[in-house]
Amino acid sequence: GAGVSQTPSNKVTEKGKYVELRCDPISGHTALYWYRQSLGQGPEFLIYFQGTGAADDSGLPNDRFFAVRPEGSVSTLKIQRTERGDSAVYLCASSRGLAFPDTQYFGPGTRLTVL
Amino acid sequence: RKEVEQDPGPFNVPEGATVAFNCTYSNSASQSFFWYRQDCRKEPKLLMSVYSSGNEDGRFTAQLNRASQYISLLIRDSKLSDSATYLCVVNLRNAGNMLTFGGGTRLMVKP
Repeated sequence: GAGVSQTPSNKVTEKGKYVELRCDPISGHTALYWYRQSLGQGPEFLIYFQGTGAADDSGLPNDRFFAVRPEGSVSTLKIQRTERGDSAVYLCASSRGLAFPDTQYFGPGTRLTVL
Repeated sequence: RKEVEQDPGPFNVPEGATVAFNCTYSNSASQSFFWYRQDCRKEPKLLMSVYSSGNEDGRFTAQLNRASQYISLLIRDSKLSDSATYLCVVNLRNAGNMLTFGGGTRLMVKP
């Protein structure tokens, strides 16, 4: 079956611009996660959705970052007034949302470059 | 101090060698443990879960020591295709289902 998909695969933008990154989870998965991975580092948690609601957004670095999942499926990560330090690979993962623990499947990521 | 610490490597080993990676975690409340594999410019993929009793999957063996907060991964008879970054991952019960990743250990298997 289809895995997690993310678009675009690459995004180059200028400092100060607004960007949106999209994630399509595996069909039927109720839980969705966003992570950010900088070069040479492991992924870092940003936000977790259970259905339509953000169950945990403690990883968002500041209020320039926002994510939505209005229908409980596709999610969009939004970054306002981008900064060079936002350059990273943004990974989305989904899981069935079963009782803890619950295997997460990752998408290929969006590589964001802020010039 | 990072929550999950790994030696970044790289570990350069010949084909057929046995190699071991270690990882320590700081939060004693961590409830579940995993090794993920990540190929260059690809997404992380689950390699195996790690249980207190230890578990084996083919050439791969994972061990967990809760008292020492230490996780290990042993790869026997290394293949060229094992070359990748291995990420140690923990999950806190009281943190939803978010994963906390180590920085990864890079393995290069040479012919």
